[in-house]
Amino acid sequence: AQSVTQPDIHITVSEGASLELRCNYSYGATPYLFWYVQSPGQGLQLLLKYFSGDTLVQGIKGFEAEFKRSQSSFNLRKPSVHWSDAAEYFCAVGPPYGNKLVFGAGTILRVKS
Amino acid sequence: GAGVSQSPSNKVTEKGKDVELRCDPISGHTALYWYRQRLGQGLEFLIYFQGNSAPDKSGLPSDRFSAERTGESVSTLTIQRTQQEDSAVYLCASSSGQGGHTEAFFGQGTRLTVV
Repeated sequence: AQSVTQPDIHITVSEGASLELRCNYSYGATPYLFWYVQSPGQGLQLLLKYFSGDTLVQGIKGFEAEFKRSQSSFNLRKPSVHWSDAAEYFCAVGPPYGNKLVFGAGTILRVKS
Repeated sequence: GAGVSQSPSNKVTEKGKDVELRCDPISGHTALYWYRQRLGQGLEFLIYFQGNSAPDKSGLPSDRFSAERTGESVSTLTIQRTQQEDSAVYLCASSSGQGGHTEAFFGQGTRLTVV
């Protein structure tokens, strides 16, 4: 069965520090992988996605993620966090056809000044 | 419209009553999805519409839940005889195609509270 695990429920980082949010997936084939961000009072916004090719993908707001097939991981990173990055982040996996995405439980990011 | 629009944004209902949630997708988007987000949990797939194809209802949790979509326009999610466990944020999303690479755009959701 398809599943996504985000091991960290909450993460707190200092403004300006680097960030890595973990995501592990279980999928029977090469999945499509996504990271979404949900800010308070906002809808989900797509940060980045991986379908094929270069395993390091760049997204919006300075985020990047690396697909590691051997580890079934798709961790999200940012070199320097800004206070406005405080939000909830969701990793998701989907099939090549159709869009029935399977989401992780989310990681709440807190940024301290 | 410019984005996916959902109404109402908040709904409080008494246990046992029926509720109807509305989703206006982005114009021209053929695919539409409903997800449920319970407090502290990830999004749970409910139902998927793609054009005129039969919808994928595999995520609907019980026969109290149903959804309709007319053509490629508005969709309504109906929950009959609401229960307290139905309390959640219901999110709608739309996308321009059926390929997995097409981005799904989400609305801001309807927060349903069953008291």
